[in-house]
Amino acid sequence: EVQLVESGGDLVQPGGSLRLSCAASGFPFNVFTMHWVRQAPGKGLQYVSNILSNGNTYYADFVKGRFTISKDNSKNTLWLEMGSLRAEDTAVYYCGRTQDGSFLDWGQGTLVTVSS
Amino acid sequence: QSALTQEASVSGTVGQKVTLSCTGNSDNIGTYTVGWYQQISHGAPKTVMCGNSLPSGIPDRFSGSKSGTTAYLTISGLQPEDEADYYCSTWDRSLLVQVFGGGTRLTVL
Repeated sequence: EVQLVESGGDLVQPGGSLRLSCAASGFPFNVFTMHWVRQAPGKGLQYVSNILSNGNTYYADFVKGRFTISKDNSKNTLWLEMGSLRAEDTAVYYCGRTQDGSFLDWGQGTLVTVSS
Repeated sequence: QSALTQEASVSGTVGQKVTLSCTGNSDNIGTYTVGWYQQISHGAPKTVMCGNSLPSGIPDRFSGSKSGTTAYLTISGLQPEDEADYYCSTWDRSLLVQVFGGGTRLTVL
């Protein structure tokens, strides 16, 4: 059974940092593209970043230079290092794995709240 | 403004067939598989279609198709539990990002 379990969400002050984790199991982690997607309160799904099986990374414009995606294939874990956090980064953050452009599985999400 | 265009809302009665659409361009829908995701009461998204492939556990009243740069999700025999927000998404080879539609709120009357 495929499982994606996010953790690390918290209340953080504007300008602060946070590291999200996504523990994966039930599939060959090193083969798939992994994503972070977020959803702000009352809004739709929004792409944040993804990392290919070869390690290439991509980011939405609004997080470039502030967020860093990484993974450890030996630990089956995906991370999102978030810096210079803003109020508008408040959202539930989901990790997911994709194949040929479609999400196969999603995690349950972790809530990040940026507020003073 | 979302890169993929979806209807804001669609409604249907129990047992009816409804079709949701998702329009993009040749760099996204025209090239890659489109996924459809169901979200109930802002819970975690659930994949209900990958292209025209039905994930395990999803009822076969759900079906997917694509014509050119528009993808479709059809629900045949609408059920009350199908009431949800539905999002489409795929990769964009020009923007080099995953693009999403703004979501369609499906109401079962």
